[in-house]
This record gives sequence, C-alpha cells and structure tokens, in this order.
Amino acid sequence: QVQLVQSGAEVKKPGASVRVSCKPSEYTFTGAYIHWVRQAPGQGLEWMGWLNPNSGLTHYAQMFQGRVTMTRDTSITTAYMDLTSLKSDDTAVYFCARRTKGSRYVGQWGQGTLVTVSS
Amino acid sequence: QSALTQPASVSGPPGQSITISCTGTSSDVGGYNYVSWYQHHPGKAPKLIIFDVNNRPSGVSNRFSGSKSGNTASLTISGLQPEDEADYYCMSYTSTSDLDYVFGTGTKVAVL
Repeated sequence: QVQLVQSGAEVKKPGASVRVSCKPSEYTFTGAYIHWVRQAPGQGLEWMGWLNPNSGLTHYAQMFQGRVTMTRDTSITTAYMDLTSLKSDDTAVYFCARRTKGSRYVGQWGQGTLVTVSS
Repeated sequence: QSALTQPASVSGPPGQSITISCTGTSSDVGGYNYVSWYQHHPGKAPKLIIFDVNNRPSGVSNRFSGSKSGNTASLTISGLQPEDEADYYCMSYTSTSDLDYVFGTGTKVAVL
C-alpha cells in the first residue's frame, strides 16, 4: 500500500506563504496524479486542485487561482503545494492524496499538515 | 460551485443499518458514475471506502455499499459497529468550470 508522507506543521503570519511537501513512500510518480485537499477547523473537506507529476500540468479550483501553485521535483519524487497571501481562514489541515491515472477517486492520502495562520 | 449536500449527522445503535445521502446536480453526481466515499476519523487520513458509485476497494468491509439515483448518491452502512463512528464524505467528479472535483458537506455518524 502506497503511503504519502507530508511535511510537518507550520505557523505563518497573515500575508506570508507556505509550502507543504508530499512524498510517496514506494513509487515514482508514474501513472498517478497528486491532489490537494484541505480541512479548516470544524469544517468539511475542500478540493484545491491536482498536479500531474509526470508532465507538471495542473488544475486548480477557481477559488484558489492566483494563490496556489502545485509543483514537483521528480529527482526526489516529491510534490509541493505553495499557498501565498495567507489569511486566517487558510488555517487548516492540508492533505495530499493520490489518484491513479484513469480513475476518478483518490485512493491514498497523506497524514495531513496543519498550517496555522496567526499574527 | 457549492459542496454536495449531505445530512449533518446520522446515528443508530449497533447492528442497525443507516444510509447517508449525497445530493448534487446533473453536472456532478447525476452526470457521471464517479462518486466516491471517504471515512474520516478526526486526526487521521481519510480512507476510501467506495469508488465509482458502488465499488469497494480491497480490504473494505462489505458492510459498506453505495448506490445512485438521479442526482443523489447514497452510502449504506449495514450492521453498524462502534468503529464506524466517524465523519463520511462523498466526492464527485464535476464538469463545472471552476473545479474538477467537489466534496460533500460531510456527515457525522454516531453509534449510539
């Protein structure tokens, strides 16, 4: 079973940026997409976008357009999610998740990374 | 694009069956057989329990089943067990312009 290992918790001030990393435990990026999902305190899951790690192609939810960038470093098989211009309501647990190419569901999830935005 | 609509909470005693609904539109739930369900225990990673409306991944209990009618998908948990107490989310592929996938609002399942 593939596991996704994410970077540790972050505390940021309003207006700053954050980078969260996501590294699969067993495989290269071949044949899969990496999705990012967040959950604010007391709220539900919110889909942010996906990255094709092989091509670098991305698709972002409109509400994050202009603030989110999803990238990868294939040499170390790691995906990244950068979020800029942080606001207090960006405080959330951010998850990466893996979707096999050709499927329309995410099968494996990272453990989540808490990002706290506070002055 | 709004989230898919789920009941906020559903509860039942051990052994009972419960059903969670997930209502969308013809652009998401009703338009594709790409509804998946996730079980989420707070503080842990969500777990896929149903994909493509009614398929169970290997290792998931057959007490979980999915279905769809029109713009509403459903998750049924039969023989409710204490470990089923968790939050449950549906997710659908969507053809709207502002995103590719949309989650449901989430349902807290309580085992009484």
